[in-house]
Amino acid sequence: QKEVEQDPGPLSVPEGAIVSLNCTYSNSAFQYFMWYRQYSRKGPELLMYTYSSGNKEDGRFTAQVDKSSKYISLFIRDSQPSDSATYLCALPRAAGNKLTFGGGTRVLVKP
Amino acid sequence: KAGVTQTPRYLIKTRGQQVTLSCSPISGHRSVSWYQQTPGQGLQFLFEYFSETQRNKGNFPGRFSGRQFSNSRSEMNVSTLELGDSALYLCASSFGRVGTGELFFGEGSRLTVL
Repeated sequence: QKEVEQDPGPLSVPEGAIVSLNCTYSNSAFQYFMWYRQYSRKGPELLMYTYSSGNKEDGRFTAQVDKSSKYISLFIRDSQPSDSATYLCALPRAAGNKLTFGGGTRVLVKP
Repeated sequence: KAGVTQTPRYLIKTRGQQVTLSCSPISGHRSVSWYQQTPGQGLQFLFEYFSETQRNKGNFPGRFSGRQFSNSRSEMNVSTLELGDSALYLCASSFGRVGTGELFFGEGSRLTVL
């Protein structure tokens, strides 16, 4: 079993819909929770990160963490075609920059 | 501010050869990490360098190696290439090693092994 599991999709939604993405993890040592976005033929870029359980909002994006269930989510409101990308959850170890990534979910927002 | 620069962007090698990939981090960033991305395994951590020292290493064979120079630029080398080494190799930099995951990635070097 992988440390971080993520549904690979693809997830196809109409423009304006809410996109819901999630990851589960098995190691309670993870303290920070990140979401990266990767466009085709590009490197991943950090979208959001959060430390504690609960919600964190940034514009159209909301990250949600439930440490008791080891479950993290990312919601994209009013989705746009430009949101079409692969979304990866990433969990860093407490020290250093070793990230454990989920497999990524490919999202397609249709105009 | 220039981003992370990786060279070459694309390369084709044959089995048994070796390859060297280069990464120039964002100015002022001292930590450089390398990741391998494949369709089957996703993004996997290779190693991290900080102040010219390897600080962390992933579960890859010894054929994969790297180094960091005094100007923080980094190189990774793969010797005796195998077909399974075909992948996108991503370099990421950050200012420190605080472990918050705020890494800045380059666009990667896509290696094809024939």
